[in-house]
Amino acid sequence: GAVVSQHPSWVICKSGTSVKIECRSLDFQATTMFWYRQFPKQSLMLMATSNEGSKATYEQGVEKDKFLINHASLTLSTLTVTSAHPEDSSFYICSAKAGSYEQYFGPGTRLTVT
Amino acid sequence: AQRVTQPEKLLSVFKGAPVELKCNYSYSGSPELFWYVQYSRQRLQLLLRHISRESIKGFTADLNKGETSFHLKKPFAQEEDSAMYYCALARNFGNEKLTFGTGTRLTIIP
Repeated sequence: GAVVSQHPSWVICKSGTSVKIECRSLDFQATTMFWYRQFPKQSLMLMATSNEGSKATYEQGVEKDKFLINHASLTLSTLTVTSAHPEDSSFYICSAKAGSYEQYFGPGTRLTVT
Repeated sequence: AQRVTQPEKLLSVFKGAPVELKCNYSYSGSPELFWYVQYSRQRLQLLLRHISRESIKGFTADLNKGETSFHLKKPFAQEEDSAMYYCALARNFGNEKLTFGTGTRLTIIP
């Protein structure tokens, strides 16, 4: 089956710094990738949708300048949390699809901002 | 705006007993409904979707538009069914954006 990886799986950063999370489709070309955020014991909330070679579409309430998304190739999308603060601490999950209807999910990245 | 409600955060069922995980949605259009499952230490994966009308691992779910429900059922629970289950909605067929419920943690008691 299709595999999506995320790197790193866990990251700690200091308040005010930026952190980049990578999402890769390992065995297929992903025309669309999605970024979700999940707080403890809560559901996944879609943050943005990115299509290869074009700007990401952000959901209402998600700050574009804070959560920079780049989908530079058909196998890689990155999420950069800029000037991170403790309230940005969360579990970030990406998913990818390749023209078919099913989304394949990555294992997630736990971000802790101190 | 669309919304997905899973009223049970936790559900414990004895092995061999029937299982029903509830999911209700609110959306005025014709949505596409899904069930996703996350086993311990594994990533989220698609279990089934209503449009395919198939049974996966013994689970079935019927979309009831009158009651705006998409409950997940299995007649005989197995220990390996213990997992976190999420109901999700896409606003229409082919729409990529998913709205998830808060999930139900199912525990099968041996």
